[in-house]
Amino acid sequence: AQSVTQLGSHVSVSEGALVLLRCNYSSSVPPYLFWYVQYPNQGLQLLLKYTTGATLVKGINGFEAEFKKSETSFHLTKPSAHMSDAAEYFCAVSDPDAGNMLTFGGGTRLMVKP
Amino acid sequence: KAGVTQTPRYLIKTRGQQVTLSCSPISGHRSVSWYQQTPGQGLQFLFEYFSETQRNKGNFPGRFSGRQFSNSRSEMNVSTLELGDSALYLCASSLAASGRTDTQYFGPGTRLTVL
Repeated sequence: AQSVTQLGSHVSVSEGALVLLRCNYSSSVPPYLFWYVQYPNQGLQLLLKYTTGATLVKGINGFEAEFKKSETSFHLTKPSAHMSDAAEYFCAVSDPDAGNMLTFGGGTRLMVKP
Repeated sequence: KAGVTQTPRYLIKTRGQQVTLSCSPISGHRSVSWYQQTPGQGLQFLFEYFSETQRNKGNFPGRFSGRQFSNSRSEMNVSTLELGDSALYLCASSLAASGRTDTQYFGPGTRLTVL
């Protein structure tokens, strides 16, 4: 069984400040990990994913995440927040051999203050 | 390339009715997955179809069913609707040629309201 915990359902940062969204996972097998973003009244857009190889993963819009096996974490960061980053962010985990069944965390709503 | 499309975008039904939602995947994608999103339960996996066969199923009652056609388009059906079925239903498609987890591309969703 797999699970994902996103610490902090709401995070508020000032424009230009560092964005840090936390994700911890539980998996009985080496997982694939994903971050998705959802804007109001829209579907999910993939920001980045970790499958194998390099543990620091770069994604779209300046986001990156680091897979830390020892900490079972996959935190999402961005050096400088923009107003357009305000959205809900979801971390997800999958068993690579179990097809496309994603287990999502509860989501973190990011608010960016001017 | 056109993205994942879902129809209808909004739907209002009453308890006890049934509903069918449609999803057209990205051209060339053979896997379609369905997810339910609610404020209380978050995003939950319903099922995945690949080459017209259900490959994975989440923990939902039998009232939730789906199918996939030879052109990879998929439908999901919910029978005997309950108030708790009100949700955003998201469809995602992927190439999934190897059977391993593949990048999924999500549609805009169908917002179902049950009165």
